[in-house]
Amino acid sequence: GQSLEQPSEVTAVEGAIVQINCTYQTSGFYGLSWYQQHDGGAPTFLSYNALDGLEETGRFSSFLSRSDSYGYLLLQELQMKDSASYFCAGTTSGTYKYIFGTGTRLKVLA
Amino acid sequence: GAVVSQHPSRVICKSGTSVKIECRSLDFQATTMFWYRQFPKKSLMLMATSNEGSKATYEQGVEKDKFLINHASLTLSTLTVTSAHPEDSSFYICSALSGLAGTYEQYFGPGTRLTVT
Repeated sequence: GQSLEQPSEVTAVEGAIVQINCTYQTSGFYGLSWYQQHDGGAPTFLSYNALDGLEETGRFSSFLSRSDSYGYLLLQELQMKDSASYFCAGTTSGTYKYIFGTGTRLKVLA
Repeated sequence: GAVVSQHPSRVICKSGTSVKIECRSLDFQATTMFWYRQFPKKSLMLMATSNEGSKATYEQGVEKDKFLINHASLTLSTLTVTSAHPEDSSFYICSALSGLAGTYEQYFGPGTRLTVT
């Protein structure tokens, strides 16, 4: 089967940096995406890694290590509006479907 | 660009009735759409892959006779929850696969909250 594990909850203060980890067991792994979801809303795309290394998009960066079956999302200069759930999602070669991780609820404190 | 809509956004139905949820890609054609369900404070669970002009592919454990999926055009997929029961109450989210600019990214609809009484 396929599974992607994340910490259930992370708390940080405004202005801080936080890292959300994702470890996966996925046969035929192709790439890792990250999504943000506010309560009651739809997931919105943040970042995608098909290759090992760091991808930077503004305050958000994502990292992938295929050899370690591990990735993370790094959020810098945290803002209150970053309080949301964050999901990693894995794709497998030959298909475009996502398997979502267990999700991490981020709380940003003033 | 790449906007996906869902209708209705909320629906309440009585146990035993059927409910249809529409997913539309508004400004692009999507040969592939996906249907997910999400319970409160839980992750998104992929239910099925909807392919235009062919039968949907269901994930293990998803009842195809209960969750009917039709992808009649390149911009519309529908999910019908048949003989709904309270345990079917959930947040249903669709996504559409866009091949714009050579990338293959899923664009999500705003979701439909189904409550079965």
